[in-house]
Amino acid sequence: GENVEQHPSTLSVQEGDSAVIKCTYSDSASNYFPWYKQELGKGPQLIIDIRSNVGEKKDQRIAVTLNKTAKHFSLHITETQPEDSAVYFCAARMDSSYKLIFGSGTRLLVRP
Amino acid sequence: DTGVSQNPRHKITKRGQNVTFRCDPISEHNRLYWYRQTLGQGPEFLTYFQNEAQLEKSRLLSDRFSAERPKGSFSTLEIQRTEQGDSAMYLCASSPDSNSNQPQHFGDGTRLSIL
Repeated sequence: GENVEQHPSTLSVQEGDSAVIKCTYSDSASNYFPWYKQELGKGPQLIIDIRSNVGEKKDQRIAVTLNKTAKHFSLHITETQPEDSAVYFCAARMDSSYKLIFGSGTRLLVRP
Repeated sequence: DTGVSQNPRHKITKRGQNVTFRCDPISEHNRLYWYRQTLGQGPEFLTYFQNEAQLEKSRLLSDRFSAERPKGSFSTLEIQRTEQGDSAMYLCASSPDSNSNQPQHFGDGTRLSIL
């Protein structure tokens, strides 16, 4: 079955710096890759997603890149702010199933 | 608020008791999902409904777990004879019924603690 690995598990950056979180997936049939932000006591909130027919997608300070050949996808946050501090999860889904397979999460701390 | 609603937010119960959680999806979202999240981990898929039909179940969903969505709107997840290992956050998500790549929107979950 599909497996998603996520790195790093923790990331600390200075306010204003960029943060990059990387994920790899195992099943080449995966074709949809969302990213979620989870704050303490809350459910995961979708922040950006990318489909396998696209290599890059950007939404203001957030961008996601996808390398289908290497089965890698990454989240890039520029000009980080303290309110970006949270746990971020990547996920993957195959066309044959509606379930999301999540990575183990990255705890991002943005130091003011 | 038109997001996914889950009740209760917290549930504390003794081992061996039965518990039931409720999820109200976003209006007109035909697809509804249950996930379980333990501390420090990503959510794990449990089961999925399209309207009232339960179409996929994870091996994580043991015989003690049952989920229903009788009228294709809200859903319930019941755990019978709870065990310590059932302590987790139970998350519900919903998505529209158009194609497989519609985003899933999550509720804030029900945190279950087994004493």
